[in-house]
Parts: sequence; C-alpha cells; structure tokens
Amino acid sequence: SQTIHQWPATLVQPVGSPLSLECTVEGTSNPNLYWYRQAAGRGLQLLFYSVGIGQISSEVPQNLSASRPQDRQFILSSKKLLLSDSGFYLCAWSELAGIDTQYFGPGTRLTVL
Amino acid sequence: AQSVTQPDIHITVSEGASLELRCNYSYGATPYLFWYVQSPGQGLQLLLKYFSGDTLVQGIKGFEAEFKRSQSSFNLRKPSVHWSDAAEYFCAVGGNTGGFKTIFGAGTRLFVKA
Repeated sequence: SQTIHQWPATLVQPVGSPLSLECTVEGTSNPNLYWYRQAAGRGLQLLFYSVGIGQISSEVPQNLSASRPQDRQFILSSKKLLLSDSGFYLCAWSELAGIDTQYFGPGTRLTVL
Repeated sequence: AQSVTQPDIHITVSEGASLELRCNYSYGATPYLFWYVQSPGQGLQLLLKYFSGDTLVQGIKGFEAEFKRSQSSFNLRKPSVHWSDAAEYFCAVGGNTGGFKTIFGAGTRLFVKA
C-alpha cells in the first residue's frame, strides 16, 4: 500500500533563516506531487505541483521554492523565512492530476518568529 | 474560472442531529467532485468522490453527497452526527481542464455539542 511521509512534524524558525521540508511517498511510481499551505482558519493554498522529476509548477509568487530530486521525493525550501510563511504545510500525491483522489501527509506546523 | 464556495465557515449541530454542509462549484467542463475531512493538526482524508453515474454518492463514516448539476452543488449530508465528526470539511473540484488542478473550498468547521 502507499504511504506518504512528511518531516519534521513541527518547526519553529527565526525570521531570515532557511527552510527545508521533506516529503516522500512509498508504494507508487511517478506520482503527481503537491505542496499546500494552510493558514490559520483558512483553506488550502496550492503552492507547487510536480508531474515528474525536475518538473515543478509554481502557483503563487513567494520566497518559497520546491524541488523534486527523485521520483518520490518532494522538497519545499526557502533561503530566508518571513513571518508570513508561518502555517501548516501539507504534502499530497495523486496518480492522475485533476481527476484523482489526493492523498495527504500528516503536515508540518511551521512557526516563524 | 474554476472555483469552489463553501458558504458556511462554521456550523454547530447537536449530537444525533442531521447535518448538511453546502458546496457550490464553478467549472467549465465535467467536474470531478470531492469531499475531504481534516481533524485538527492532521492531513486531509477523502470522504467521498463523484465522477459520473448515480448522483447520490456514499462515502466513509456514514456520509453521503448529492450532485445537482442544475444547481452546481455537491452538498454533504449525514443523518445522525457523532461527536467524533467534529472536524473541518473541504469540498473540492477537479477535472481534465484548467491545468488539471484540483481547487479546494475554504472549508467548513463542524462543531458537535452534546
């Protein structure tokens, strides 16, 4: 069966520090991968999605970036965090884009101070 | 443009009472519709989905949803709510157009009172 892992579960970082969040999927090949951010009391904002290795689409301009160095690994990064980067970050995967169920990881709670 | 509207930010129901969460969508082609549930501090889990066929869809945990094309709605229902149903519920729409993206609504927070 397929599983999705995210780490760390929680993170407290100072403003201006770098960020690296990792997501890995097991039990499937060539998944579509997604990074979402969920601010307190708000819905899901799609940040990045990837249909294959090295293929990243960005949805909103920001100081975040994403990379997919391996088929089942998706990394969210920042060189310098802002206060507004605080939130709950969710990674998800699906077999098909748009028409398929998305399977979500447990999320990372990021607090930028 | 694709969009999903969940008009209720939060809803409070008594345990044992019936529940209906509203969802309206805008999509230029055949929509693929989803309902997800999120417990506090966790990821989202699929409750049910509609692609085609019978417009009344059964999901997990006793939930069902009805697709009404004429009203562009996909409302979620449960006949008798349990305290463990307290969570946030997200409606989503996807399809074969618009870059193959799935659009999520802002969510409805469900509170259950004893």
